[in-house]
Amino acid sequence: SQQGEEDPQALSIQEGENATMNCSYKTSINNLQWYRQNSGRGLVHLILIRSNEREKHSGRLRVTLDTSKKSSSLLITASRAADTASYFCATDGSGGSNYKLTFGKGTLLTVNP
Amino acid sequence: NAGVTQTPKFQVLKTGQSMTLQCAQDMNHEYMSWYRQDPGMGLRLIHYSVGAGITDQGEVPNGYNVSRSTTEDFPLRLLSAAPSQTSVYFCASSRTGQGAGEQYFGPGTRLTVT
Repeated sequence: SQQGEEDPQALSIQEGENATMNCSYKTSINNLQWYRQNSGRGLVHLILIRSNEREKHSGRLRVTLDTSKKSSSLLITASRAADTASYFCATDGSGGSNYKLTFGKGTLLTVNP
Repeated sequence: NAGVTQTPKFQVLKTGQSMTLQCAQDMNHEYMSWYRQDPGMGLRLIHYSVGAGITDQGEVPNGYNVSRSTTEDFPLRLLSAAPSQTSVYFCASSRTGQGAGEQYFGPGTRLTVT
């Protein structure tokens, strides 16, 4: 079963706009991660946020985590056409194991030039 | 560093055939894992390993075998291929700590079973 679920499934914006994607999960976690996948490629790690952290920044990326709501959001500011990709959240802790990562189904982001 | 490498890039099998997907990493990572990615399903964990000689099942292990004789290599064996195993397979590795951690992914193997 999928632990993380992203929302929306697809998002289309103009270059320069901000993009927000959300992830909800079901059970307690140790860490939550976000990954990017360009079409036909492997996933690339973006950011990891621990369960005791509430917010983390990396360049144009801002991730928040609300463990009481079991949800996270990824904000990409000042988007570029090169940000067009699928974005996945991944959580550990499934089945009581911190070594089992569970991925959501992803959000397909299209940034129009 | 080459990172995580996977071979082959593409493979077509007939139902019932067996094959091994290769995965290697040169980062001295203890943790390695295999995922399959199907349209609309995200990635699902097949098997993982936290070190040489140690493997465990993920979410969808049936029909697949793994072994980890060295830190560098983590092959995935399909015992008797079925059309339901048509998918893109990704291998990943990471340093272990308190969990799976930041994953480094290979480029994937696209498998078609006819």
